Amino acid sequence: SQTIHQWPATLVQPVGSPLSLECTVEGTSNPNLYWYRQAAGRGLQLLFYSVGIGQISSEVPQNLSASRPQDRQFILSSKKLLLSDSGFYLCAWSARGPGEQFFGPGTRLTVL
Amino acid sequence: GQQLNQSPQSMFIQEGEDVSMNCTSSSIFNTWLWYKQDPGEGPVLLIALYKAGELTSNGRLTAQFGITRKDSFLNISASIPSDVGIYFCAGLLNTNAGKSTFGDGTTLTVKP
Repeated sequence: SQTIHQWPATLVQPVGSPLSLECTVEGTSNPNLYWYRQAAGRGLQLLFYSVGIGQISSEVPQNLSASRPQDRQFILSSKKLLLSDSGFYLCAWSARGPGEQFFGPGTRLTVL
Repeated sequence: GQQLNQSPQSMFIQEGEDVSMNCTSSSIFNTWLWYKQDPGEGPVLLIALYKAGELTSNGRLTAQFGITRKDSFLNISASIPSDVGIYFCAGLLNTNAGKSTFGDGTTLTVKP
């Protein structure tokens, strides 16, 4: 069966520091991968999605970037964090082609 | 872009009551999905609907794919305290790289 992992689970970082969040998927090949951000009590904002290694599409302009160095690895990064980057970051995968998305456990990021 | 209107935004109900929430869109979808998110966790897929008019149950949950393909509803019967959480609808188009459009969520509170 398929499993999706995210780490770290929680992170507290100072403003201006770099960021690297990692997501890995097991048990499937060639997945579509997604990064979402969720503000407290709010909906899901799609940040990036990827249909293959090295292929990244950005949904909204922002202080973040994403990379997919391996088929089942998706990384969310920032060179300098802003206060507004705080939130709950969710990684998700779906099978190639249209299909349901399955979410990871999330990373709670607090920027101070 | 496509948008989903999910209502109600929040619900406060007594244990044992039935719950109904819905999503509407100005454009059609090929698939409707319903997720539940527990506090501090990633959303979990509850029900997937693939065909207009389809009615699907998962335990005490029942969801329907509207005939017009522009709406869907989710019913929860005989609510219990563990039903507490945020419920999201999502619409999926076959030609959109697997990206789903999410509603803003319905926050459900169940009083024992």
